[in-house]
Amino acid sequence: ETGVTQTPRHLVMGMTNKKSLKCEQHLGHNAMYWYKQSAKKPLELMFVYNFKEQTENNSVPSRFSPECPNSSHLFLHLHTLQPEDSALYLCASSQEGFYGYTFGSGTRLTVV
Amino acid sequence: DQQVKQNSPSLSVQEGRISILNCDYTNSMFDYFLWYKKYPAEGPTFLISISSIKDKNEDGRFTVFLNKSAKHLSLHIVPSQPGDSAVYFCAASAGTGGGADGLTFGKGTHLIIQP
Repeated sequence: ETGVTQTPRHLVMGMTNKKSLKCEQHLGHNAMYWYKQSAKKPLELMFVYNFKEQTENNSVPSRFSPECPNSSHLFLHLHTLQPEDSALYLCASSQEGFYGYTFGSGTRLTVV
Repeated sequence: DQQVKQNSPSLSVQEGRISILNCDYTNSMFDYFLWYKKYPAEGPTFLISISSIKDKNEDGRFTVFLNKSAKHLSLHIVPSQPGDSAVYFCAASAGTGGGADGLTFGKGTHLIIQP
């Protein structure tokens, strides 16, 4: 499979649950990103991983915990989320020196 | 405070005419600008970009113009086609040459092409 794949596509979780979002890319890119898209807001950068090292944490609450075990996989671990965290979470990847990110289709998260 | 602004939430254009989508930015450190297109239930896809050393970049029906003094860029689509109906995001980077810095996005403009 090519491109950036995100699973699950949809997730409903309670505020006390723990869940994880998964992102996988088979493009040979060395940078991966998590973005959040809330209704009527711009895409917000959450985390940047460059060569598996986290290079940016954009003031994201600790209830969101990223993990990048290798340059092809990226996880976002979720725990004790709030209803306002309901949003579309997008993963993207890019190659160093090229700005054309490739995005996944996103995970639509609803916190109840 | 939004650093990348797309002030038109939606735009309706007749098929065959020109679509012009606008974007303003406030951060003078931005040196690379991109447009992404997003269909429902899909992730954004890269469309076209421009470096701050240029004022125009063209790719087929798509042209991006950059006015650095006004901190303004625009995307022109001509002629507009029904498949162009989508949400268009403007994005900017203050990177130093690589892409792994994270992009700053606008809220998007929903372009609707009328038959």
